[in-house]
Amino acid sequence: ETGVTQSPTHLIKTRGQQVTLRCSSQSGHNTVSWYQQALGQGPQFIFQYYREEENGRGNFPPRFSGLQFPNYSSELNVNALELDDSALYLCASSVDPGTVMNTEAFFGQGTRLTVV
Amino acid sequence: TQLLEQSPQFLSIQEGENLTVYCNSSSVFSSLQWYRQEPGEGPVLLVTVVTGGEVKKLKRLTFQFGDARKDSSLHITAAQPGDTGLYLCAGESSGNTGKLIFGQGTTLQVKP
Repeated sequence: ETGVTQSPTHLIKTRGQQVTLRCSSQSGHNTVSWYQQALGQGPQFIFQYYREEENGRGNFPPRFSGLQFPNYSSELNVNALELDDSALYLCASSVDPGTVMNTEAFFGQGTRLTVV
Repeated sequence: TQLLEQSPQFLSIQEGENLTVYCNSSSVFSSLQWYRQEPGEGPVLLVTVVTGGEVKKLKRLTFQFGDARKDSSLHITAAQPGDTGLYLCAGESSGNTGKLIFGQGTTLQVKP
């Protein structure tokens, strides 16, 4: 069974650029959630994708967008990068978007994005 | 807005000591989860508590969910250097959507 994998593991971008982060969900999982974790903080929910559609969004501006593909892998795109976007971006996959009482979410190792 | 506050934020103790980490909110959560995260890794789920007053044990770790389902605690007995890491509590946002609200985390360092 393959776990959640994210790529790249580290990335340095310049302010104003655009970035795409990728996530392969665990085998059998059809739901992917993205989180942003600033240094020394807990993860913050960005959005969730279920069956290729956005299924809920946190308090992030529209320049944060995403996609989910038929194989349930997902991308997180961030446009017009700002210095404050520097963070660890985590992807979590689960069987379905239902209650966490019944569904365990598995996290990838994250992508460390640095904006300079 | 549902918020979770963890305390303390940092904890440095000697091997063999006991400790407790708290996770508090003014909101009711349908469930709370505890995660452990090591540097360069994603969070790993330790336990999910669902019922008010519930107590779960995982070896030397004891987790408790408050009666009103607004708070939780993690107690570690006889801490070991391998327990070092970032401990995060997370609650499921209202509506049973599977979306998690995290506390800011407690960084634990256990010195040999």
